[in-house]
Amino acid sequence: GESVGLHLPTLSVQEGDNSIINCAYSNSASDYFIWYKQESGKGPQFIIDIRSNMDKRQGQRVTVLLNKTVKHLSLQIAATQPGDSAVYFCAEGRNQGGKLIFGQGTELSVKP
Amino acid sequence: DAGVTQSPTHLIKTRGQQVTLRCSPKSGHDTVSWYQQALGQGPQFIFQYYEEEERQRGNFPDRFSGHQFPNYSSELNVNALLLGDSALYLCASSLGSLQETQYFGPGTRLLVL
Repeated sequence: GESVGLHLPTLSVQEGDNSIINCAYSNSASDYFIWYKQESGKGPQFIIDIRSNMDKRQGQRVTVLLNKTVKHLSLQIAATQPGDSAVYFCAEGRNQGGKLIFGQGTELSVKP
Repeated sequence: DAGVTQSPTHLIKTRGQQVTLRCSPKSGHDTVSWYQQALGQGPQFIFQYYEEEERQRGNFPDRFSGHQFPNYSSELNVNALLLGDSALYLCASSLGSLQETQYFGPGTRLLVL
């Protein structure tokens, strides 16, 4: 079947701490993974992506880790800020521009 | 550089009616994908248009149809609306090579009564 799932539906962290959001995927054929951030009343905003030939990719304050052995994806946010509060979705696909399969999302709440 | 735009922002319809939603892709993009996002859920892929044709389709009934115009803008049409069609409809644009990231618009919130 096709599914992308999240281990934790909600995550609450203190401002300045690091956040880790996890995601499991089931389709071994997927070779592209992406994280989106969605704030209330807005569309998903691209954060970072990774292809299956990599196991780690870093951006500004964010890192995505891919473990193909256990079909697991994680998003690490360093020095979490109140502006990071949102719902975070992982998604998988065969390529960047094609059909994306999304998980249910994790709500990140940052306490000042 | 204009991002993805969608219209209208909100819409209320009754069961059985038909609705048309519109999307203009990000400047320079030629591919448009449509997703349906129910409350509290992740987006679900409806279909993708490239070169004015449907290139990929998700598990949605034929009541959902679309169109892409020569200027790359797109419409999503839903016929015989059901209560369950109430959702946020998202448009994402990208370049047609399938190797480019999809960028989303703000969505159209549809409520079916």
